[in-house]
Formats: sequence, structure tokens, C-alpha cells
Amino acid sequence: NAGVTQTPKFQVLKTGQSMTLQCAQDMNHNSMYWYRQDPGMGLRLIYYSASEGTTDKGEVPNGYNVSRLNKREFSLRLESAAPSQTSVYFCASSEGIFRGGETQYFGPGTRLLVL
Amino acid sequence: AQSVTQPDIHITVSEGASLELRCNYSYGATPYLFWYVQSPGQGLQLLLKYFSGDTLVQGIKGFEAEFKRSQSSFNLRKPSVHWSDAAEYFCAVGAGGNEKLTFGTGTRLTIIP
Repeated sequence: NAGVTQTPKFQVLKTGQSMTLQCAQDMNHNSMYWYRQDPGMGLRLIYYSASEGTTDKGEVPNGYNVSRLNKREFSLRLESAAPSQTSVYFCASSEGIFRGGETQYFGPGTRLLVL
Repeated sequence: AQSVTQPDIHITVSEGASLELRCNYSYGATPYLFWYVQSPGQGLQLLLKYFSGDTLVQGIKGFEAEFKRSQSSFNLRKPSVHWSDAAEYFCAVGAGGNEKLTFGTGTRLTIIP
């Protein structure tokens, strides 16, 4: 099994450009998440999807949109990139049965530089 | 809302020495506690987790952690580190009834020969 895959691995954007980060999981998980990782800040939740057809804001949603395309795929879109969005983005998934505290499985990350 | 503090930003230990990484949490009820490891350029991998029961939890790669409710702590330990343990370590806390985790800011571990 591939687990959680993310594309692209690296991306350089100019301020104002848009792009979509793709994430897919093959573990039949219900819940999926997007995080950003910045030095000294740990991981911060951008958006999550508890189940297919639902999405909710996390801690830092401004400037982002998400789409839960189907049970496998969860994309993150930057409509107008800003230098403050330079970061490493991680997608994760979990089985999602609302008991809380489930293991999240992470993708390898996308490194984004906004000039 | 839950929160996690990892007071050590960077720790350096000698290969073969013991290791303890600190984690303190804030949450009103019994939390779900996790330790994840991130090798350079990689995603996060689960080392171990605590839900309930025995407060000493064993994980992969020879790591263990102890939940101490009185101290609101969940420190990670390893008796003898290997050069391959050099990585960043994240403590995380989850609450019952939802899937979200709150991560600490991480501790970077350097191993010297």
C-alpha cells in the first residue's frame, strides 16, 4: 500500500498565483487533514474533513480552500498565494470513527516557496 | 481546548546515552497522547500513543513514554540512542469525540558520536 501520497513534492510560486495541492490515501480512511509546518511552530491544522462530503476549518484556514473530492482524495487550494504561505504542507488521514485520539498517517509533504 | 508544550527546542546527546524528551499537556479530561517522529525531509511517523490503562507505553524503535496525570506530562524515553534516532520529535494531544490532534512545537534531537 502507498498510504498517503501528495503531489507535487516541491513548488515555487509567484505572489498572486494559484495552485492546488493534491492528497490521496488508499487506506479507506474516513477523515483527512491538511497541516502546515513552519519552523518553531510545529504543525498547525488548516482544514480537515471528518468524512466524505464534509469539511471544517482548523486553526489557520485563511487564504486556503479545500475539496473532499471523494473518500480517497482531499485537495488544498491557494487562490492567490502570498509569501506568508511559504511552508511545508502535510496531508494526513485517520480511520475516523469519532472516538477521538486515532492515529493519523502522514504523507511525505509538499514544500512550497512563494516569492 | 487542549494544548501541548515541548520545552526543549533542541537536545544533543551522545550515541549510546539515554534520552528523555519532555512533553506537558493541558486538557480537562483524560487525554489521548501521542509521540511522532519526523526524519529529515520526511513525513511524521507514529512512535507510540496512550489512551488509557497502563501509564507506561511501549513504542517502536525501543522508545517508551510514561503518562503522569499529576504532572500533566508524557515524556518520551530511550535507554540508549542510536545515530539513526536523529530527527524531530513531536508530542500531540487529542480529545475524545473528535479526530483533531494538537501538536507541540517539536524537539530536534542531534546525536554526536
